[in-house]
Amino acid sequence: LAKTTQPISMDSYEGQEVNITCSHNNIATNDYITWYQQFPSQGPRFIIQGYKTKVTNEVASLFIPADRKSSTLSLPRVSLSDTAVYYCLVGALNNNAGNMLTFGGGTRLMVKP
Amino acid sequence: SAVISQKPSRDICQRGTSLTIQCQVDSQVTMMFWYRQQPGQSLTLIATANQGSEATYESGFVIDKFPISRPNLTFSTLTVSNMSPEDSSIYLCSVVLTGFIGYTFGSGTRLTVV
Repeated sequence: LAKTTQPISMDSYEGQEVNITCSHNNIATNDYITWYQQFPSQGPRFIIQGYKTKVTNEVASLFIPADRKSSTLSLPRVSLSDTAVYYCLVGALNNNAGNMLTFGGGTRLMVKP
Repeated sequence: SAVISQKPSRDICQRGTSLTIQCQVDSQVTMMFWYRQQPGQSLTLIATANQGSEATYESGFVIDKFPISRPNLTFSTLTVSNMSPEDSSIYLCSVVLTGFIGYTFGSGTRLTVV
């Protein structure tokens, strides 16, 4: 399973764009990159997933360079409610193995007014 | 997306007792997972529970301490046995939905052992 490395914490201000980068140097060919958001006292919530290049949804964008050894989650114009822990996971669906995604330490984002 | 309900949402238990946590999914799923999240920490997988087979435990977790049931495709239980204060954590149930590479999580059970 590919190991991920993220900054432990980040601070930002309301209205700014936040970019959280994740390193996954030993990503495998079949692995996807998935980001989760977790608020206190809640389970993690899926944000976005990608395999290569760029993916965008209503919440965030995910940038993946050609070598796929890193990825960047981009949150446009953050608000106080975006204060949470963000997890980068790398893995592939394996019906036999089950644990195809491993949680790293996550990045604690603090958005200030 | 699936709706996952966990019960209880929180509990305070005496050391030496056991607590069974229930996880109900509103659709049939093959793979269900139980995670533990200790205070201020990331998530650690306890075991994978597939219907019709024994649960598969991760290193550091054993069946005697965390027995799991998976009687059908929509339900699972995790029991935390002979609890100690070190078992105080959030326990999370998650599933993998067909065609989706990733987990969907329940809201968790916050367990405090005193």
